[in-house]
Amino acid sequence: EPEVTQTPSHQVTQMGQEVILRCVPISNHLYFYWYRQILGQKVEFLVSFYNNEISEKSEIFDDQFSVERPDGSNFTLKIRSTKLEDSAMYFCASTQSDGYEQYFGPGTRLTVT
Amino acid sequence: AQTVTQSQPEMSVQEAETVTLSCTYDTSESDYYLFWYKQPPSRQMILVIRQEAYKQQNATENRFSVNFQKAAKSFSLKISDSQLGDAAMYFCAFMDSNYQLIWGAGTKLIIKP
Repeated sequence: EPEVTQTPSHQVTQMGQEVILRCVPISNHLYFYWYRQILGQKVEFLVSFYNNEISEKSEIFDDQFSVERPDGSNFTLKIRSTKLEDSAMYFCASTQSDGYEQYFGPGTRLTVT
Repeated sequence: AQTVTQSQPEMSVQEAETVTLSCTYDTSESDYYLFWYKQPPSRQMILVIRQEAYKQQNATENRFSVNFQKAAKSFSLKISDSQLGDAAMYFCAFMDSNYQLIWGAGTKLIIKP
């Protein structure tokens, strides 16, 4: 069964460093998303991406964040200068069409020290 | 702004018994989607069930069913014949007109053998 994959599973970085989180969505999916879940808190929407551009973004998704689909398979989230409060689980999701269920990857745990 | 409320931080049920997890939401939209996701200790987010707001019939997936009350803005999940593998965090999520998922705080389900 097709699945969304994410790498790495755990990333530890120092405050101020840049990180890139990678996702490979399901191959025939067209819509891509990033969410984050700070430990013990709600899952929060970050950004949606369709047709090689951002569709929607939340207030969390400020200038420190960017997304890219560099080739036909990868979907990346970049945090330019990490802060302690960026420590969270980051989930990538994809779906065939708006309104359909979003399939989630296993997440990347980001720890900023 | 849309909100999703899960008022039960934790629920426990005896194996083979039935349990109901509650979820309420607030929206002014008339057409939307609702989801229940399961997050086991592995942290992978797994879709349990999906409901379209325009459908009066409650969604069912094997042992999982929902009680969707649109007027009351209520969307509860019933798990029948609970199994040890059902132990997880359960999240209720609302999909808005921008196709973003808005999440509840989650309910931790404990299965007693």
